[in-house]
Amino acid sequence: GAGVSQSPSNKVTEKGKDVELRCDPISGHTALYWYRQSLGQGLEFLIYFQGNSAPDKSGLPSDRFSAERTGGSVSTLTIQRTQQEDSAVYLCASSYPWAETQYFGPGTRLLVL
Amino acid sequence: DQQVKQNSPSLSVQEGRISILNCDYTNSMFDYFLWYKKYPAEGPTFLISISSIKDKNEDGRFTVFLNKSAKHLSLHIVPSQPGDSAVYFCAASAVVTSGSRLTFGEGTQLTVNP
Repeated sequence: GAGVSQSPSNKVTEKGKDVELRCDPISGHTALYWYRQSLGQGLEFLIYFQGNSAPDKSGLPSDRFSAERTGGSVSTLTIQRTQQEDSAVYLCASSYPWAETQYFGPGTRLLVL
Repeated sequence: DQQVKQNSPSLSVQEGRISILNCDYTNSMFDYFLWYKKYPAEGPTFLISISSIKDKNEDGRFTVFLNKSAKHLSLHIVPSQPGDSAVYFCAASAVVTSGSRLTFGEGTQLTVNP
């Protein structure tokens, strides 16, 4: 595919359940980022991957949040024991190594009931 | 600590006129600035960027101006078209100190009226 893809596009879950969000970056982009946008807020940085390693995890809001990347491509963001404040749009972006311009996927809209 | 601020939550202009969207930042380490456009239910789309070594970058109808001393940048859209109606986000990065992570403003909803 030409762009960043994310799945699922929408996810409704119950408080306390775990969720997994997936990101497929643009082919050849070794840098991958996760952001989230809560209602009425700007985009908030979560974590950054360069290849399979994550040199910057400083934006993860709590230890319930984790992410991994395998094969330098697909990344999964996992939220354990979801809370209602986790409801947001989770966006993934990718870029060439050390490039400043990031290209975003369509996002996953997460609603925790 | 809001390091990137877009003080106007909304802007309305007539088709054919100029749209000017503004952005202020506080972190003097920011060295690269970007504008993204976002339609509802879609991810942000990259529009235009500028390095801190420049003060202007132009791409078709879009021009970004950077005033480093004022820590201010603006996006000019001329002429504005109804299809430009979207939320516009200003973003900044400080590659040397923070890698490529982007810090975003809150966004400005632009409405271009036919």
